[in-house]
Amino acid sequence: EAGVVQSPRYKIIEKKQPVAFWCNPISGHNTLYWYLQNLGQGPELLIRYENEEAVDDSQLPKDRFSAERLKGVDSTLKIQPAELGDSAVYLCASSLAGGADTQYFGPGTRLTVL
Amino acid sequence: AQKITQTQPGMFVQEKEAVTLDCTYDTSDQSYGLFWYKQPSSGEMIFLIYQGSYDEQNATEGRYSLNFQKARKSANLVISASQLGDSAMYFCAMRVMNRDDKIIFGKGTRLHILP
Repeated sequence: EAGVVQSPRYKIIEKKQPVAFWCNPISGHNTLYWYLQNLGQGPELLIRYENEEAVDDSQLPKDRFSAERLKGVDSTLKIQPAELGDSAVYLCASSLAGGADTQYFGPGTRLTVL
Repeated sequence: AQKITQTQPGMFVQEKEAVTLDCTYDTSDQSYGLFWYKQPSSGEMIFLIYQGSYDEQNATEGRYSLNFQKARKSANLVISASQLGDSAMYFCAMRVMNRDDKIIFGKGTRLHILP
């Protein structure tokens, strides 16, 4: 069974440019998460979806970040415009449901903003 | 507020020895879950083991076991018979199953297995 798929794996952009990341969760997983991981730190939740509904986006900087999961399957995270401080790894994870269900992570997208 | 603390930024262990990675947590909620993940240099977070707050037995998964001491709010990961491939970052995480359903990670411990 395929795991969580993310693309691209690496992205280098100049500041003020837009960027988008894509995630396809494990088939049948209703819950999808986007995390931000800065160097030397643990992941920090940006947004959590239950099917197509964003049930927790309290940590998403909404002035420049947006996300969507229109059909309750794959998801896109966008940054516009990117800032130098956005350089980090963006991880996507999925689980069957919320609660105690284990989250399975994708390989992440490493973003470098110049 | 919920918090995960991993006090060991890095550890060096000889191959085949057992390793204990420390994790303490803070929450006032009664229903929560504790997770350990491994992150090798490739970057992918690999699920290792889970312990529910109401589970009476310590969780075990192969060479991994979770030493759950609820009164002390600790959830240490024990790796038996360490292998070179165990070298990685290890993260402890907690999910509180209340209305907010927050998920938080510790800062991690970098484990180096020496041949």
